[in-house]
Order: sequence, then C-alpha cells, then structure tokens
Amino acid sequence: NAGVTQTPKFRVLKTGQSMTLLCAQDMNHEYMYWYRQDPGMGLRLIHYSVGEGTTAKGEVPDGYNVSRLKKQNFLLGLESAAPSQTSVYFCASSYYPGLNSNQPQHFGDGTRLSIL
Amino acid sequence: AQKITQTQPGMFVQEKEAVTLDCTYDTSDQSYGLFWYKQPSSGEMIFLIYQGSYDEQNATEGRYSLNFQKARKSANLVISASQLGDSAMYFCAMREGRGDSNYQLIWGAGTKLIIKP
Repeated sequence: NAGVTQTPKFRVLKTGQSMTLLCAQDMNHEYMYWYRQDPGMGLRLIHYSVGEGTTAKGEVPDGYNVSRLKKQNFLLGLESAAPSQTSVYFCASSYYPGLNSNQPQHFGDGTRLSIL
Repeated sequence: AQKITQTQPGMFVQEKEAVTLDCTYDTSDQSYGLFWYKQPSSGEMIFLIYQGSYDEQNATEGRYSLNFQKARKSANLVISASQLGDSAMYFCAMREGRGDSNYQLIWGAGTKLIIKP
C-alpha cells in the first residue's frame, strides 16, 4: 500500500551543496510532479513529467533539475543549494488527467529541506 | 491575477457544526475541474472531493460536499457535522483544460480550519 514514497523525509544542507530528492510511485501513473510549499502560499509547481523520459518546467523551475529515467521514479536535483530553497517539497503522481477527468494527484508525505 | 482565491486564512468552528470553506476561481476555459485537498498537521496531502465544470450535480463524498456556483465561479467546500479530526489546512485547486496547460493543478493559499471541542 505504498503509493508515492519520498526520500529523504528531512535534510539539512549548507549553501552550495547539492542533493537529489527521490520520488517513487507504484501506481503505474504516467504523470509525476514536484511542488514546493512555503508558509502562507499554495503549492507551486517546480517541474513535472508526462511520461518516462520527458520533463517540463513548471511555475518555479530555477535552481532545480529533474529526471525521469524510469516511469515509477522522478528525481529532483538541487545543484547548488541556496537558502531561498528552504521549503517542504512534495512529489505527486496521477494517471493522464485529460479533460473533465476526476483523476486526482496522489501525494507523497513531503521532504522538509533546510538550507543554512 | 490570482486564479484560485481562498479568502479565509483561518477559521474556528465549534465541533459538530457545519463549516463552509470558500474558494473562488478565475478561468476562461469551458472545461475545467476543481479539487479540494486536506493537509493535517502531519503534513500529507489528502484528496477530498472533485467537481467537473460540466457536472450538473454538486459533488458529495461522505461528510464533504461542494457548493458549486458556476456563474459566480465559486466552489465552496462544506463539511457537515465537523469533528476534531477535521482540524487541518484545506486547499482548493483547479485544473484547466487548455492543451498547453498539460492539465496542471493551480493551487489556492489554503484555509487553516480549527475545530473547537
């Protein structure tokens, strides 16, 4: 009953360090998403993928890179972490949404990332 | 311009009362979908209910219902008989049907609901 699994759950980095957040889903979903959640704001889309081997930019892509080499995995990378990237990061996945589709996005439990 | 507006940053409601959480949206699309998610203090995002723009009936899921007023572009979440476990952040989100949107969700800033015993 795993659903969407994010690792790690918590991480503290120093400015300039790099790291990769891993998202894995076992629901055979085509679409995957990375969001960040900051206090007082809704979720903001960083990058997303509509299928294996494809990625696209969302609303706030700067400073992040992603890869989707396998359908079930979606990786978010920070090449040179900055304090402004301190946030809670959520991964989500869904079937092809389509028009008038009630397919929701299923979320992982989040990664709390602090950049010092 | 904000596409999803949740005007209530926080609400206090007495246990067992009904509560309405407001959500207004802005789109020029004819086809779109509206979602509500719950985020308890533990942090996970839980899907609650969906309303499609062409749905003639208001959506219902257990104690959750959606008061969908298309002409007013509002999609308010109604929770009946509130429980202490309903205390959480609640987010409204919209999926537009434009081809170039790739069906992304646009999120409101959320409403923090606290149920008082």
